[in-house]
Amino acid sequence: DTGVSQNPRHKITKRGQNVTFRCDPISEHNRLYWYRQTLGQGPEFLTYFQNEAQLEKSRLLSDRFSAERPKGSFSTLEIQRTEQGDSAMYLCASSFIQGAYEQYFGPGTRLTVT
Amino acid sequence: RKEVEQDPGPFNVPEGATVAFNCTYSNSASQSFFWYRQDCRKEPKLLMSVYSSGNEDGRFTAQLNRASQYISLLIRDSKLSDSATYLCVVNPPRMGDKLIFGTGTRLQVFP
Repeated sequence: DTGVSQNPRHKITKRGQNVTFRCDPISEHNRLYWYRQTLGQGPEFLTYFQNEAQLEKSRLLSDRFSAERPKGSFSTLEIQRTEQGDSAMYLCASSFIQGAYEQYFGPGTRLTVT
Repeated sequence: RKEVEQDPGPFNVPEGATVAFNCTYSNSASQSFFWYRQDCRKEPKLLMSVYSSGNEDGRFTAQLNRASQYISLLIRDSKLSDSATYLCVVNPPRMGDKLIFGTGTRLQVFP
């Protein structure tokens, strides 16, 4: 399968714990995006990378959130000191530089904070 | 005002029916518009882009009305497999490449 992959698919954690998610984009794509989606809402933009450079971060991304894409390939999203409000689906997408609207999404990581 | 607004539905229609969804956007300078489809507990998938002249892909037709700032999606001859949530998506100007999603309109096609 050459699509976007995300791991883990599900994560249950206790409040206050740290969690890390991984996204592997489509191999030839140089842009990678993170979104968050809660029940009944559309995905909300969090941040995006072009190669290894993080170009933009949403105000939704508090100091407890950090994302990296160290070699311009896979990316990680870490949430420190999780809160119940962090429970959501975390979606990763990738695209070429041109045609950013053609963003291909991964299956997401569903986070539940208890 | 939300940047992208959609009627959440649900729209319950019989197989073979024609159904239309509208979506309004707040930034009049927006240039790029799309419809994504999302099945329950799955990721969004690009259904079609929306061009100024309107565009059609099989049973699906998308139109853009810039004067009224709305986008529409028409589905003809509905199939059971069309049951999903349809997300209206806008890429406003000076927002880089991030997409702004509406909350989605849920469609349920019944036999």
